[in-house]
Amino acid sequence: EDQVTQSPEALRLQEGESSSLNCSYTVSGLRGLFWYRQDPGKGPEFLFTLYSAGEEKEKERLKATLTKKESFLHITAPKPEDSATYLCAVQAGRAGSYQLTFGKGTKLSVIP
Amino acid sequence: DGGITQSPKYLFRKEGQNVTLSCEQNLNHDAMYWYRQDPGQGLRLIYYSQIVNDFQKGDIAEGYSVSREKKESFPLTVTSAQKNPTAFYLCASSNRLALNEQFFGPGTRLTVL
Repeated sequence: EDQVTQSPEALRLQEGESSSLNCSYTVSGLRGLFWYRQDPGKGPEFLFTLYSAGEEKEKERLKATLTKKESFLHITAPKPEDSATYLCAVQAGRAGSYQLTFGKGTKLSVIP
Repeated sequence: DGGITQSPKYLFRKEGQNVTLSCEQNLNHDAMYWYRQDPGQGLRLIYYSQIVNDFQKGDIAEGYSVSREKKESFPLTVTSAQKNPTAFYLCASSNRLALNEQFFGPGTRLTVL
């Protein structure tokens, strides 16, 4: 059974205080790992897809990295508008497996 | 603008009633999905569809039904058989089923009175 565990559940940062969110996964042959941002009462917004260990992707203050067991979302000098819940999901490489398995998310609060 | 629309944004249902949630996309995506989100839990897949007139059950399909008569539309019916339907429902689409980012709609919050 595919599993995704995100930590911490919640994180409070001062504006400008860099940190990282963790996504640990177990999956039968990783086809892709996805990061999303979700604001309260809204649908998730796609951020990144990572396909293989060692891959990195960046967008503004966010940088996602991937190893064989986990992914990190690094947030550099965050601003209050970065406050949201960040979701991680994996897609298995098994034949006929099309669904994403999501973690419960990390709720990030950035304090001015 | 291309995107996914869901309606209504809020929906209230009495026990014993069936309700249908709308999902429309103009992204020309082949695949569409329905998820349920509960507080403190990850998104869980209800149904997905690869092509018109074809759909498969996800992890929690009991008490739900779907149809896919048009490529752009994938409505979800929450039936009276669903024991705990109060949740936030999210529709998503992707342009290839096997591997691609799923893009989500704004969601429908269903409350059973």
